[in-house]
Amino acid sequence: AQKVTQAQTEISVVEKEDVTLDCVYETRDTTYYLFWYKQPPSGELVFLIRRNSFDEQNEISGRYSWNFQKSTSSFNFTITASQVVDSAVYFCALSRVNYGQNFVFGPGTRLSVLP
Amino acid sequence: ETGVTQTPRHLVMGMTNKKSLKCEQHLGHNAMYWYKQSAKKPLELMFVYNFKEQTENNSVPSRFSPECPNSSHLFLHLHTLQPEDSALYLCASSQGDPQGTEAFFGQGTRLTVV
Repeated sequence: AQKVTQAQTEISVVEKEDVTLDCVYETRDTTYYLFWYKQPPSGELVFLIRRNSFDEQNEISGRYSWNFQKSTSSFNFTITASQVVDSAVYFCALSRVNYGQNFVFGPGTRLSVLP
Repeated sequence: ETGVTQTPRHLVMGMTNKKSLKCEQHLGHNAMYWYKQSAKKPLELMFVYNFKEQTENNSVPSRFSPECPNSSHLFLHLHTLQPEDSALYLCASSQGDPQGTEAFFGQGTRLTVV
């Protein structure tokens, strides 16, 4: 069975602080994808990043960075110098490949960035 | 403009009504999904269609009936719903098997059952 855990239900930070959102996953597959999505108040889930299980390189995109560690089954997301516009619910997700691409989402972390 | 469009954005219906949610994707994807998002609950996968064939039905009650006439359109037919069915219903699409790519979501339909 596949499972995604995001232990942090809610996080509040003050603008310009760095914040890390944790994601731990479970799967028996050797090939899989990991994702992060952002859900602003408007409701639409916005895709942020996809990571293939064979690619453990960390990635940086502007103020966003992701740390994938297969040894600990974690895929953490860091926002540097947070801004009020970063306030949203962030979801980590896992999908199978070649067995029906069903996305399993974590419960989400609500991030509030205060001015 | 999002590549996945859902209508209506908001819907209020009585328990005896019949209504349908519509989803359309303009991304050339082969897989489409319905998710339910209730307050304080994780996103729940309801149905998956790959190449117009239903490949997943996550023990969803029969009062929810999906329809996928082609790979660009997905419907969710609703009848005799319960108040606990009130939620945000999200449609998504992806490239599908075997490639495996990210899913793109619509803005959702906020459903209230009274």
